[in-house]
Amino acid sequence: SQTIHQWPATLVQPVGSPLSLECTVEGTSNPNLYWYRQAAGRGLQLLFYSVGIGQISSEVPQNLSASRPQDRQFILSSKKLLLSDSGFYLCAWSRGQQRDTQYFGPGTRLTVL
Amino acid sequence: AQKVTQAQTEISVVEKEDVTLDCVYETRDTTYYLFWYKQPPSGELVFLIRRNSFDEQNEISGRYSWNFQKSTSSFNFTITASQVVDSAVYFCALSEAFNFGNEKLTFGTGTRLTIIP
Repeated sequence: SQTIHQWPATLVQPVGSPLSLECTVEGTSNPNLYWYRQAAGRGLQLLFYSVGIGQISSEVPQNLSASRPQDRQFILSSKKLLLSDSGFYLCAWSRGQQRDTQYFGPGTRLTVL
Repeated sequence: AQKVTQAQTEISVVEKEDVTLDCVYETRDTTYYLFWYKQPPSGELVFLIRRNSFDEQNEISGRYSWNFQKSTSSFNFTITASQVVDSAVYFCALSEAFNFGNEKLTFGTGTRLTIIP
């Protein structure tokens, strides 16, 4: 069966510091991968998606970036965090087929102070 | 542009009561998928159901049932005989196909359901 991991689970960072969140998927090959952000009390916003190694598409321009160095690894980064980057970050995967279900990881709660 | 509306921000019911969560969507696609996810206090989104726009049959899974009505663009979710473990935020989502056969989910803002023991 497939599992998706995210770490760290929680993170408190000062404004202006760098960020690296990691997501890995087990039990499947060539998944589509997604990063979402959920601000407090709001719905989910798609940030990045990837259909393969090194292939990243951005949905929302901001100071965040994403990379996919390996087939089942997806990384969310920032060089300098802003207060507005606080939120709950969720990684998701789906099979590389159109309209397939997305399955979500446990999430990382980021607080920028 | 696609849109999903969950007008009920918060609902509270007493345990064992039935409760229905509403979801209304807008899309120009002729083929689309609808989803419901559950987000318990731990934060992880748990997949509940996926429904094809061509399949309007209602679905039942244990205490959960879903009513899909294309004529009113609604995909409502009913929990029968609610339990405290059902307390969570529930999200309705709509798929949109985009580049490379990939899928983008448009989420509603969620309904926070509290089951009172």
